[in-house]
Amino acid sequence: GIQVEQSPPDLILQEGANSTLRCNFSDSVNNLQWFHQNPWGQLINLFYIPSGTKQNGRLSATTVATERYSLLYISSSQTTDSGVYFCAVEDDMRFGAGTRLTVKP
Amino acid sequence: NAGVTQTPKFQVLKTGQSMTLQCAQDMNHEYMSWYRQDPGMGLRLIHYSVGAGITDQGEVPNGYNVSRSTTEDFPLRLLSAAPSQTSVYFCASSYGRADEQYFGPGTRLTVT
Repeated sequence: GIQVEQSPPDLILQEGANSTLRCNFSDSVNNLQWFHQNPWGQLINLFYIPSGTKQNGRLSATTVATERYSLLYISSSQTTDSGVYFCAVEDDMRFGAGTRLTVKP
Repeated sequence: NAGVTQTPKFQVLKTGQSMTLQCAQDMNHEYMSWYRQDPGMGLRLIHYSVGAGITDQGEVPNGYNVSRSTTEDFPLRLLSAAPSQTSVYFCASSYGRADEQYFGPGTRLTVT
């Protein structure tokens, strides 16, 4: 099956800093989504982005399907951005292991 | 509009017991799915349904059964609980299989 790798596994930032999270996948995909799991365990869909670029406030995502990767950008990070960020690909939602982000005040 | 709801929030079972995790959605979504999340890992798909009366296996289906008699409900049954099934279980729904997924709050299950 398709392999999904996320990097970095852990990231610690000061409030106000910017960050880039990466998702690599081993085969072409028709479906890619980014999720945020908050410290209380709730999963929130951030982007549905099988290709191209999308922006939502301080967050944006880019997927380059031909090169098999996606990037999630977080600008001016806030403590509420803390949690684990997952990418998931294909119709059966293969998840990566996630990037744990900690934003310090 | 409650979204995706799951009950119970927490459950402790003894090895060999059976139980049903409930999942319901009020968004008229055709696609529903169950995942498990183990510590430090992403979610893995257990079973899914593309509509009432239709279910199929995901990546880790062994030890679990599902049925879909209505559009709204998608229960997950553990037939004979094992310690390896200790996990957090999430239900999700979407309009179609390749559409934006909405997750429930999860059920934390411990099997002793």
